[in-house]
Order: sequence, then C-alpha cells, then structure tokens
Amino acid sequence: EPEVTQTPSHQVTQMGQEVILRCVPISNHLYFYWYRQILGQKVEFLVSFYNNEISEKSEIFDDQFSVERPDGSNFTLKIRSTKLEDSAMYFCASELAGVEEQYFGPGTRLTVT
Amino acid sequence: RKEVEQDPGPFNVPEGATVAFNCTYSNSASQSFFWYRQDCRKEPKLLMSVYSSGNEDGRFTAQLNRASQYISLLIRDSKLSDSATYLCVVIKGSQGNLIFGKGTKLSVKP
Repeated sequence: EPEVTQTPSHQVTQMGQEVILRCVPISNHLYFYWYRQILGQKVEFLVSFYNNEISEKSEIFDDQFSVERPDGSNFTLKIRSTKLEDSAMYFCASELAGVEEQYFGPGTRLTVT
Repeated sequence: RKEVEQDPGPFNVPEGATVAFNCTYSNSASQSFFWYRQDCRKEPKLLMSVYSSGNEDGRFTAQLNRASQYISLLIRDSKLSDSATYLCVVIKGSQGNLIFGKGTKLSVKP
C-alpha cells in the first residue's frame, strides 16, 4: 500500500539554526499539507500546497517557514531560524484531488535546544 | 470558543463495552467531518468520514447533527486494540485543511 514517508524521524537542532524536514507524498496525490503537534497538544494546520504554490497557511506559518516541492517528488518544510517553541512533531500529509482523505506520514520529531 | 471541542477523557472501559464520544464544532460553515485515530506518538489515521445520514463501519458508527453542530462516534464490542486517542476533525470551507480537536483518550482493559 502506498504511503507518505518523512525524514528524518528525529531532528535535534540548536536555537537559531535552519532545519529542513522532508516528505515524499504518495505519487499520484496532488494536494500536500504540513501539520504540527506540540507534545500534549492538538494537531495544528500549518500550510497547504497545490499546483506548486501555497493554497492556504495558518498564523503559525510566519516568515520563518517556507515550503518547496523541488523535484516533483519531495515536499519540504524549512524553518529558517528555529526557536524553542518550534519543538514539536511535524506531520506531512497528501491527498488525491477531490476525495478529502488525507494520508499522514509518520512525522518528524523536531527538538530545538 | 474552540473550533472543535472534545471531552479529553480518559475513558477506561472493559473489553466488550460500548463507548460513545462526542464532539462539537463552532463554525456552521464546516463542510466535512471525520474521526481520526492516533496512537501514542504516531500519526493520525483516518477512521471514518461522518455523513448527515449517519454511517457505520463494522463496530463503529458515526453521526452528525448539523443543527446542533455535534458529531458522535460509537464503538461497540470494544477491543484492546481500540485503545488510542480519537480525534474529531472538520474541514471548514473548500480549502481542505483539517481542523483537529484535542482528542478523547480511550483505554480498553482486559
């Protein structure tokens, strides 16, 4: 069964450093998402991406965040200058057009020290 | 008011019990509704979509009441493997981004 994959599974970084979280969505899916979940909190929407551009972004997705689909398979989330409060689990999800069922990757646990 | 509200639990039930979870949402423009399941430190996985007419999938039954902005999930004949956090999720408008509740934790005991 096709699945969304994410790397790395765990990333530890120092405050102020840049991180790139990588996702490989399911191959025929057209909509891509990033969500995050701070430990003990709810899953929160960050950004959606379709047709090589951002469709929608939340208040969390400020200028420190960017997304890219550089090569038609990878979908990346970059945090330019990490803060302690960026520590969370980051989930990538993808969706086949029009069916609303989003498939989540296993997540990247980001720890900012 | 939170966009999606759920009783956090935990619900501790014996195997074989029937358990019901409720959820309310604040935005009447919400268009699509789901229950997801999340195991500890894992990704959310879609359990079922929720339709106005109600829908059933094996031991699981979901109901939607648009007038009351209320969604429910009923689990019959609980199994140990049902232990997880159940997330109520809505989509507002046409953008597709999921709005999650904080989840209700279920623990099924032998």
